[in-house]
Amino acid sequence: EVQLVESGGGLVQPGRSLRLSCAASGFTFDDYAMHWVRQAPGKGLEWVSGISWNSGSTGYADSVKGRFTISRDNAKNSLYLQMNSLRAEDTALYYCATLDVWGKGTTVTVSS
Amino acid sequence: DIQMTQSPSAMSASVGDRVTITCRASQGISNYLAWFQQKPGKVPKRLIYAASSLQSGVPSRFSGSGSGTEFTLTISSLQPEDFATYYCLQHNSYPYSFGQGTKLEIK
Repeated sequence: EVQLVESGGGLVQPGRSLRLSCAASGFTFDDYAMHWVRQAPGKGLEWVSGISWNSGSTGYADSVKGRFTISRDNAKNSLYLQMNSLRAEDTALYYCATLDVWGKGTTVTVSS
Repeated sequence: DIQMTQSPSAMSASVGDRVTITCRASQGISNYLAWFQQKPGKVPKRLIYAASSLQSGVPSRFSGSGSGTEFTLTISSLQPEDFATYYCLQHNSYPYSFGQGTKLEIK
């Protein structure tokens, strides 16, 4: 079964850091570019970051550039998002996706 | 950065209606556009890729068209399960960007 499972979300204070992980299974992970997409409560989808199959190319939304870092480990079929200097506006459900396949998301809440 | 302007932001329609949703890109994106459907509390589902290619398993009443800066998603005959929020996504260049969404409600 094709599956993406996110983990690492939680409650964190403003200014602190959090690392999200995404475990892929059921498909050839290193054939695909991967993305993080988030959705704040009651809001629309926001593309956050993407990475090419071999990590040669990465991209970030302006809202997270300089604070978030995407990475992947093809040997472990895993995608990561290191989130630093977190802000209240980063509060959202974070999805890992190939864009065809999506995980169920992990919730990040930034609050003091 | 490329901005995606989606319209309308909300609409109401009846079962059996033909519905069209539009996305306009701030600059040309060739056919690097996808359409997604999201129902409340559910994960987004890709309906259309490469502007006009139907994702496997998606009913043929869904279709996409356009190239460059103007794109449309058409539902030829609305079914009860189609009431949801729809998003376009440009993936021509980083940073990718979604449209604001169109909430399709029952009239």
